[in-house]
Amino acid sequence: ETGVTQTPRHLVMGMTNKKSLKCEQHLGHNAMYWYKQSAKKPLELMFVYNFKEQTENNSVPSRFSPECPNSSHLFLHLHTLQPEDSALYLCASSQDQVGVYPYEQYFGPGTRLTVT
Amino acid sequence: AQSVTQPDIHITVSEGASLELRCNYSYGATPYLFWYVQSPGQGLQLLLKYFSGDTLVQGIKGFEAEFKRSQSSFNLRKPSVHWSDAAEYFCAVGEYGGATNKLIFGTGTLLAVQP
Repeated sequence: ETGVTQTPRHLVMGMTNKKSLKCEQHLGHNAMYWYKQSAKKPLELMFVYNFKEQTENNSVPSRFSPECPNSSHLFLHLHTLQPEDSALYLCASSQDQVGVYPYEQYFGPGTRLTVT
Repeated sequence: AQSVTQPDIHITVSEGASLELRCNYSYGATPYLFWYVQSPGQGLQLLLKYFSGDTLVQGIKGFEAEFKRSQSSFNLRKPSVHWSDAAEYFCAVGEYGGATNKLIFGTGTLLAVQP
């Protein structure tokens, strides 16, 4: 059973709305990730946080704003989105140490976002 | 650049038949390899991983994978497929050595199981 939870599971928002996605991990991990999964496209890594510090921003538009207040919580703040931003947004965590081999990641169930 | 190729976009097998899903990777250093499964509307679940040692790796749900360095492959197998195995399967290679460790995923193979 997954130790990573995401809320909400489904979200419909207009292009002018502001909303936030929440992720919480109960595994004691130090690294957290946001991914975007669109139909017929590879999984896209968006952001990486390690010990609350952002270590990766994969050229994500500024209408997506991440926040990591502690190692257990990760948010993705959304504003002025476009219809092409509709996708499944997945959060993951891992017990990772930069400079050592990459550990496996544990995923949440995702938030299905529809932008109208 | 590091990459993962899953050449089969969609595979259909009969229940009880054997299964092999192909994965090829391109990575300059020692590869750390993973297989994940995703059921509809769900996140990804780790099936198994290869870090080092025995090249045949056992995972959950009766799956196994074999690492073949000479072929740059990490194919996933199951001797007898169950209807509940219908899902999408992702192979990934771990990228490390930079400022961030990350997983590079393939595009996935969608498995359908016929009764």
